[in-house]
Amino acid sequence: EAGVTQFPSHSVIEKGQTVTLRCDPISGHDNLYWYRRVMGKEIKFLLHFVKESKQDESGMPNNRFLAERTGGTYSTLKVQPAELEDSGVYFCASSQYDGTDQSGNTIYFGEGSWLTVV
Amino acid sequence: LAKTTQPISMDSYEGQEVNITCSHNNIATNDYITWYQQFPSQGPRFIIQGYKTKVTNEVASLFIPADRKSSTLSLPRVSLSDTAVYYCLVGDMGYGGSQGNLIFGKGTKLSVKP
Repeated sequence: EAGVTQFPSHSVIEKGQTVTLRCDPISGHDNLYWYRRVMGKEIKFLLHFVKESKQDESGMPNNRFLAERTGGTYSTLKVQPAELEDSGVYFCASSQYDGTDQSGNTIYFGEGSWLTVV
Repeated sequence: LAKTTQPISMDSYEGQEVNITCSHNNIATNDYITWYQQFPSQGPRFIIQGYKTKVTNEVASLFIPADRKSSTLSLPRVSLSDTAVYYCLVGDMGYGGSQGNLIFGKGTKLSVKP
């Protein structure tokens, strides 16, 4: 079974440009999450989709970041316009948990999209 | 969401058992304990998750005392390939919980030597 896949794996763009990161969750996973680690910092939560709805977007840093998940399948994270401080690695993760059973929610991460803004 | 404290680094030798302890004094009733492993340039990889007592899978064991204020990840007979950063996370991953707002700390950098 394929894991969480992210594209592109690496991207170098100039300040002010736009970048769109894509995430394909594990098939059948309704929950999709975005996290990021910027230089020298810890991994931080950005937002959480349940199917196509945003469940929690408390971690989104500002309005230059736009996440979408049309149709409840893959998701995109757009940064427009990109700033130098946006450089880092963006992780996507997914899980199947629907909140109805007694076990915990196991979240699986992708390999990340490495973004460098110059 | 409960904050966790774990050692910054640990050293071990191949073939030894490694135990990494994490403290989470403010763990809430609905919180689960989850451990992830991360290699450089890769995403966090799920290792094990538990709520209480002991959980074992094919790669590790997780020991959780009755008060749940700490947990210990046990890696049996480590090899060089187990050199990685290990994160202990605590959060309400059950019914009605936050279900995804994981708080990553600095983790424990485990170095396994030959």
